[in-house]
Amino acid sequence: AQSVTQLGSHVSVSEGALVLLRCNYSSSVPPYLFWYVQYPNQGLQLLLKYTSAATLVKGINGFEAEFKKSETSFHLTKPSAHMSDAAEYFCAVSDRGNTGKLIFGQGTTLQVKP
Amino acid sequence: DTAVSQTPKYLVTQMGNDKSIKCEQNLGHDTMYWYKQDSKKFLKIMFSYNNKELIINETVPNRFSPKSPDKAHLNLHINSLELGDSAVYFCASSPPGTPDTQYFGPGTRLTVL
Repeated sequence: AQSVTQLGSHVSVSEGALVLLRCNYSSSVPPYLFWYVQYPNQGLQLLLKYTSAATLVKGINGFEAEFKKSETSFHLTKPSAHMSDAAEYFCAVSDRGNTGKLIFGQGTTLQVKP
Repeated sequence: DTAVSQTPKYLVTQMGNDKSIKCEQNLGHDTMYWYKQDSKKFLKIMFSYNNKELIINETVPNRFSPKSPDKAHLNLHINSLELGDSAVYFCASSPPGTPDTQYFGPGTRLTVL
């Protein structure tokens, strides 16, 4: 069975500071991994995805994530937080099958302080 | 030019009622999904349809019945609503060949009183 665990349900950073949101996964097969963002009262939007090509994945809005097999991690980072980054962030894993079944983590709320 | 749309955005109803939520996508995708997000923001897949064929059916009560009249629409009908059904329901769709790259609708907040 696959699962993801997001460490820290709430992360607070100052504007301009580094953003680091942690995600660890468990999978019996090489996984595909995703980060989605949910802005208040909106649906989820794909930030980036790892599909076994480059281990460092760049996404939209200046975010990137690094797949580390040895640590079973896929942490999301952004060098400099902006107020507009305040949102809920979800890590997800799929089994690379063709069903599209995504298993989501419990989410991390990112707060950006001025 | 909305990609994935849902109606209604808010739905408030009494226990025991039957209600439907509609979803439409104009992206030309062939797979559509329903997710439930609970009050703790935990997101879980309920169903998926590919070209009107049921692909995923998670352990969801049979009071929930998805209906796909065509590949651009996936509606969710809920019978005999219960308090525990209160949640935000998201529809999503994905293009051929990349089912795990999903585009989400804005959500429908269902409140059962």
